[in-house]
Amino acid sequence: DAGVIQSPRHEVTEMGQEVTLRCKPISGHNSLFWYRQTMMRGLELLIYFNNNVPIDDSGMPEDRFSAKMPNASFSTLKIQPSEPRDSAVYFCASTPRQGGGVVNTEAFFGQGTRLTVV
Amino acid sequence: EDQVTQSPEALRLQEGESSSLNCSYTVSGLRGLFWYRQDPGKGPEFLFTLYSAGEEKEKERLKATLTKKESFLHITAPKPEDSATYLCAVQAYQGAQKLVFGQGTRLTINP
Repeated sequence: DAGVIQSPRHEVTEMGQEVTLRCKPISGHNSLFWYRQTMMRGLELLIYFNNNVPIDDSGMPEDRFSAKMPNASFSTLKIQPSEPRDSAVYFCASTPRQGGGVVNTEAFFGQGTRLTVV
Repeated sequence: EDQVTQSPEALRLQEGESSSLNCSYTVSGLRGLFWYRQDPGKGPEFLFTLYSAGEEKEKERLKATLTKKESFLHITAPKPEDSATYLCAVQAYQGAQKLVFGQGTRLTINP
């Protein structure tokens, strides 16, 4: 398996523009997470999905951020309008289907999208 | 609020010089504690999960241990390729699958 695939790897955009980050989780994984990493705040969970349904979006900083998972193999994180303080590395991660008493499985991370808003 | 504090922020060692990284946590019911390794420009890579105090896990030169308040990542006779940022994260029973990460320890092993 190719692992979690994110695109683009790098994005530079102007303040006020819409930005869409994309993620393809590992096939067969049923949970998907979006994280943001900055020097100041480290890795922060923005939102996660189970079986394509958003479960916890309490980490989404503002209404400018939205995330969708239309099917099991694709998710997007959209920022509209973007601001310079949104500059960060955004990671997508997925975990395998849990069951049979197993509740703690490791998350597999993508390579990240480095977003720069100027 | 669940919190994770890692120390030191950065650690520089000579090749072969053993040491330990610390992860202190406060959580409302620990479901699991995770260690990840992150190389520059890459996503975190899973190393270990620990579930209960007293548990230990090993992988090559790394050994992770867990108490009720903290976890240690011991590195024995490290090599330059062990240089990376090591991240600790906790998962609480009430947080479902949410992971709360520490800021990480940036480890540099000099040859």
